[in-house]
Amino acid sequence: KAGVTQTPRYLIKTRGQQVTLSCSPISGHRSVSWYQQTPGQGLQFLFEYFSETQRNKGNFPGRFSGRQFSNSRSEMNVSTLELGDSALYLCASSLLPSSDTQYFGPGTRLTVL
Amino acid sequence: GESVGLHLPTLSVQEGDNSIINCAYSNSASDYFIWYKQESGKGPQFIIDIRSNMDKRQGQRVTVLLNKTVKHLSLQIAATQPGDSAVYFCAESHDPLVFGKGTRLSVIA
Repeated sequence: KAGVTQTPRYLIKTRGQQVTLSCSPISGHRSVSWYQQTPGQGLQFLFEYFSETQRNKGNFPGRFSGRQFSNSRSEMNVSTLELGDSALYLCASSLLPSSDTQYFGPGTRLTVL
Repeated sequence: GESVGLHLPTLSVQEGDNSIINCAYSNSASDYFIWYKQESGKGPQFIIDIRSNMDKRQGQRVTVLLNKTVKHLSLQIAATQPGDSAVYFCAESHDPLVFGKGTRLSVIA
């Protein structure tokens, strides 16, 4: 069974631009969570989607948004990029929401210049 | 607020020795815990999990111990190998999962 895939793997953007990241969960998994990982803050939860509905949202500004499609694939968008948005963005999928074991993708490395 | 933390940020172990990575949690209501391993350039990889109705669970070369009295979790890796070098995270079942900062394990050949 294929694992979680994320595209693109690397991105370089400039301040003020926007970016869209994509995540395809493990087949059959309906829950997708997004995390931001930085050296200083560790893994920080962004949001979780289950059956196309946002279940949970972390403490991030409204510039960070996401959605989930009927096939469980998910996208996250960051608008008006700031230097501090440079990070590894990780997607994780699980069969059930929240407390179920999450399986991570390789991440998208975003660099904002 | 509730948090999951790690006692040591770095751990160096001789190849062949056993490794012990510790984690403290603060929410006594948490009933599920997970350990992840993250190698450089990769996403976290599930290692082993344990539910609060258990004290110990064993996998292949790994054992997780849960002490609910002191809210402490540990990951033991037997016969540590160079391929075990990575950052290890514990996660606490919350809604959503809460991750610790991570411990970097370095294996000395």
